[in-house]
Amino acid sequence: GAVVSQHPSWVICKSGTSVKIECRSLDFQATTMFWYRQFPKQSLMLMATSNEGSKATYEQGVEKDKFLINHASLTLSTLTVTSAHPEDSSFYICSAEIYGYTFGSGTRLTVV
Amino acid sequence: QKEVEQDPGPLSVPEGAIVSLNCTYSNSAFQYFMWYRQYSRKGPELLMYTYSSGNKEDGRFTAQVDKSSKYISLFIRDSQPSDSATYLCAMSANSGNTPLVFGKGTRLSVIA
Repeated sequence: GAVVSQHPSWVICKSGTSVKIECRSLDFQATTMFWYRQFPKQSLMLMATSNEGSKATYEQGVEKDKFLINHASLTLSTLTVTSAHPEDSSFYICSAEIYGYTFGSGTRLTVV
Repeated sequence: QKEVEQDPGPLSVPEGAIVSLNCTYSNSAFQYFMWYRQYSRKGPELLMYTYSSGNKEDGRFTAQVDKSSKYISLFIRDSQPSDSATYLCAMSANSGNTPLVFGKGTRLSVIA
């Protein structure tokens, strides 16, 4: 079946540094990918829709300068958390639609 | 009223029980309905994908959609301890480039 590969699975970084999360569609091309954030015991919150070759569409309340999304190819979308702070610590998940929406395995970000 | 309502539980059942999970929604434009299973610190895994009203069965899982009542269900037969996870309902009006709207998720524990 369709696979969305997400890396890293977990990362710890110091406050003020930037972290890049990669999301790859392994056996299909994804014109659109979605980035979600999930806090403990809560559902997924859509952050942005990533479109290949164009600017991402961010949801209300999501800082586009802080959460940089790049979708440079049909198989790769990246989310960069810039100048990370402890409140950015969360579980980040990407998704693409192919015969139903397939999700990556998620990235647990801890900012210390 | 939220677009998608789902009882967060937790729900605890004995092994072998039939589990019933439900969601209600308010947007009559929703046509695509999904159930995901999410284990702790993992990305959601697609269980069932249904278009419009009707039933769909896959092994021990049965998904039902009643668009007239704006109500969807997931039944798990012969529940196993390995079914212990959070179950998320999700839906969208269009397939492809439209992000999913999620329920809060129901935490299920199957006790051996």
